[in-house]
Amino acid sequence: EIVLTQSPGTLSLSPGERATLSCRASQSVSSTYLAWYQQKPGQAPRLLMYGASSRATGIPDRFSGSGSGTDFTLTISRLEPEDFAVYYCQHFADTKRFGQGTKVEIK
Amino acid sequence: EVQLAESGGGLVQPGGSLRLSCAVSKFIFSTSWMSWVRQAPGKGLEWVANIKNDGSEIYYADSVKGRFTISRDNAKNSLYLQMNSLRVEDTAVYYCARDGDAFDLWGQGTMVTVSS
Repeated sequence: EIVLTQSPGTLSLSPGERATLSCRASQSVSSTYLAWYQQKPGQAPRLLMYGASSRATGIPDRFSGSGSGTDFTLTISRLEPEDFAVYYCQHFADTKRFGQGTKVEIK
Repeated sequence: EVQLAESGGGLVQPGGSLRLSCAVSKFIFSTSWMSWVRQAPGKGLEWVANIKNDGSEIYYADSVKGRFTISRDNAKNSLYLQMNSLRVEDTAVYYCARDGDAFDLWGQGTMVTVSS
């Protein structure tokens, strides 16, 4: 069973800064099945990226995804106030397991 | 506008049952895989079950296998989750989601609380 480990647990940054979020799989996975979601308090998650690097509909280009094998990254080039949220990666196959999440908070 | 709307949540005692519904508008429900995903209070996301567009394939997380049943009615554009033998650890917000390239559409969720 593939386990996804996200780091860091919390990222404290200021608006305008660059955010780099990591997702590491316990074994190699196909990038086709790696997704990222954003969740704000009291809201449902929103799909950001699928196939590791493809932006979902309506997602601004300050969000980008990369990686392969066991190491994947979500990058937010310049944080906007609305980007402070929790981010989850997911291996979208088999048990569709999620990582435990990274909280991006305002410094 | 594409919408998914869950209903049916509430408070139930351990060992009890509850049936969740998800009404889907606009997009072609009958051609989409659909899933249920849950989130315990203050915790992360857990996939629960999914069902193929025609209902011919169904999969469950080990944590709910044998207790939960996912189903759908394409004529009514609706997805269901029958939850039996509920446990305290099933307490969560339950979301329905479209199973596309990933979970690309989500409902707003319905809260299920299992407590005596």
